Amino acid sequence: KNEVEQSPQNLTAQEGEFITINCSYSVGISALHWLQQHPGGGIVSLFMLSSGKKKHGRLIATINIQEKHSSLHITASHPRDSAVYICAVAPNTGNQFYFGTGTSLTVIP
Amino acid sequence: DTGVSQDPRHKITKRGQNVTFRCDPISEHNRLYWYRQTLGQGPEFLTYFQNEAQLEKSRLLSDRFSAERPKGSFSTLEIQRTEQGDSAMYLCASSLSAGPFAIYFGEGSWLTVV
Repeated sequence: KNEVEQSPQNLTAQEGEFITINCSYSVGISALHWLQQHPGGGIVSLFMLSSGKKKHGRLIATINIQEKHSSLHITASHPRDSAVYICAVAPNTGNQFYFGTGTSLTVIP
Repeated sequence: DTGVSQDPRHKITKRGQNVTFRCDPISEHNRLYWYRQTLGQGPEFLTYFQNEAQLEKSRLLSDRFSAERPKGSFSTLEIQRTEQGDSAMYLCASSLSAGPFAIYFGEGSWLTVV
């Protein structure tokens, strides 16, 4: 069983739609990261959360520590948002990050 | 450029050959991580260093794999006697320490074993 589960695995949306990607984890954490990976490219960190909510432009990330759940929202989606979005957690114990398998998002014009 | 850099970005090698990847982390970061990623999967942990000490190795890291960080700065990941199953992207990342610190990734090194 993976320590981090993401849903959906794949998501196709029309330009302008509101998008939600979910992440659930099973370990105690000190932080949760949302990452973005474009095809063939490296990984860019979007957010690091330990509580509450963060917003950056059209992106919003929330976390509920009690429920061990986080969501990434994209408002007014655009084709350039097409990428793989990965959830990763830094556990309280241990020294590595655990990653979800990613959500592949395609936004159609 | 003050980000994490990896070299080479792409490597095609014949089965049985040895390959080496290099990672230069952000200079003040004492944690350095190696991950492997195959198509459609999230990154899988291979190993990490705290300064020059290799503190944890995944069971994915067979005896054909070795990683070093000799001076606590750059790191190398060597794969000996490559197999086709080694074809993947090898990602390097760095952070200040464990816990709630941001992690920064390199662009990755793509390995194709033919």
